[in-house]
Amino acid sequence: KQEVTQIPAALSVPEGENLVLNCSFTDSAIYNLQWFRQDPGKGLTSLLLIQSSQREQTSGRLNASLDKSSGRSTLYIAASQPGDSATYLCAVRSNYGGSQGNLIFGKGTKLSVKP
Amino acid sequence: GAVVSQHPSWVICKSGTSVKIECRSLDFQATTMFWYRQFPKQSLMLMATSNEGSKATYEQGVEKDKFLINHASLTLSTLTVTSAHPEDSSFYICSARDSFIPLWDQYFGPGTRLLVL
Repeated sequence: KQEVTQIPAALSVPEGENLVLNCSFTDSAIYNLQWFRQDPGKGLTSLLLIQSSQREQTSGRLNASLDKSSGRSTLYIAASQPGDSATYLCAVRSNYGGSQGNLIFGKGTKLSVKP
Repeated sequence: GAVVSQHPSWVICKSGTSVKIECRSLDFQATTMFWYRQFPKQSLMLMATSNEGSKATYEQGVEKDKFLINHASLTLSTLTVTSAHPEDSSFYICSARDSFIPLWDQYFGPGTRLLVL
C-alpha cells in the first residue's frame, strides 16, 4: 500500500529565504507526482506535476525534483514571500491497474513566511 | 482554467440528520468525479470515484450506504452524508476530471466543512 510522507510538518522562515520541502513515498510504481498548495479552508491548487520519467519541473520560483528509485521528491522555493504561506501537499498517482489515476496524498507541510 | 465549485462551503447540523453537498464543474464536462475527506492535520483521503451515469466506486472502509454519491449529469455530483454523527465532521473536497483533458489533470473544488453537533 502506497504511503506518502512529508517532512517537516510545519516550517516557519523569514521572508527571502530559500527553502526545501521533502516528500517520500514507499512504492516507486508511480504514474506521476504532483505538488499542490492549499490555503486555509480552500481547495487545492496544482503547482507542479512531474511525470515518472522526468527528473524535475520548474515554474517561476518553484522547482520540484523527483527521484523515483529512492522514492523521494523535493519542492524548492526560492526567495520566499509572505504570500507563499500555505500548506503544501505532495501526491503521487499510483500506477496499479485497479487504482490507476488515483492520487495518494501526504499530510502536507504548513509553511509560514514571516515579513 | 477549469473551475469546480462546491456548495455549501460550511454546514452545521444536528446528529442524525442528513446533509447534501453539491459539486459542480463550471466550464467543462466532468466525466469522472472524486470525493475526498480531510481530517485536521491529516492527508486527503479518497472516499469514492464516480463516473457520470454509473454507480460510484467506494474505497475500502467507506460505507456506501452512509455516503451516498450521485453523479447524474456531466456537471453535477452530490454527496449525501446520511444520519450524520460527530465523527463525520470533516472537510469534504470534490475533484473533477474531463475525459478530453490529460488523464492526470484533476481540478479541485474549494471544499465543504461539515460540523455535526
